[in-house]
Amino acid sequence: EAGVAQSPRYKIIEKRQSVAFWCNPISGHATLYWYQQILGQGPKLLIQFQNNGVVDDSQLPKDRFSAERLKGVDSTLKIQPAKLEDSAVYLCASSLGPFTQYFGPGTRLTVL
Amino acid sequence: EDKVVQSPLSLVVHEGDTVTLNCSYEVTNFRSLLWYKQEKKAPTFLFMLTSSGIEKKSGRLSSILDKKELFSILNITATQTGDSAVYLCAGRNAGGTSYGKLTFGQGTILTVHP
Repeated sequence: EAGVAQSPRYKIIEKRQSVAFWCNPISGHATLYWYQQILGQGPKLLIQFQNNGVVDDSQLPKDRFSAERLKGVDSTLKIQPAKLEDSAVYLCASSLGPFTQYFGPGTRLTVL
Repeated sequence: EDKVVQSPLSLVVHEGDTVTLNCSYEVTNFRSLLWYKQEKKAPTFLFMLTSSGIEKKSGRLSSILDKKELFSILNITATQTGDSAVYLCAGRNAGGTSYGKLTFGQGTILTVHP
């Protein structure tokens, strides 16, 4: 079974630039999550999708972050404009309903 | 706001030692407690605990949950250098229609020296 795929794996941008990350969940997993993991901290949930609907985006900084999952499969997370404090690993995870979440390899973002 | 706290933040041991990692939680409408191992990339799932007092075991790793005292421990016996990683604990709430949300602790960095 293929795991959660993410791209790119690494991204370096300057502050105020825009960046987008892509995630393809495990086939058949209806629930998709985006997490932000700052160095030395545990992952923090940014947004959770159930199929193509948002069920929790309470911790998403909506003035600069956006995410979509238009066809209920893959998803994109965008940051526009980026700030220095957005430097982190962005993890995508998926689950089959209310069960164990499986994580992708993450995208390491560095904002200069 | 849900909160999960892990201790110690870091631990250095030698191969063959036994370690105990701690996780305390304050999670509204608590559903389950999960442990993950994170090496250089994504967290990988270890255990999910939903009932108090029932030990889950996988090889040299075991974990138990105490829902009265709101904590869990992860034990690793006869540690090996391959156990070096960050161990993350997460509490899941029952969460309405959203299948619940995971709140992660800050992790325990375990280093096992040969």
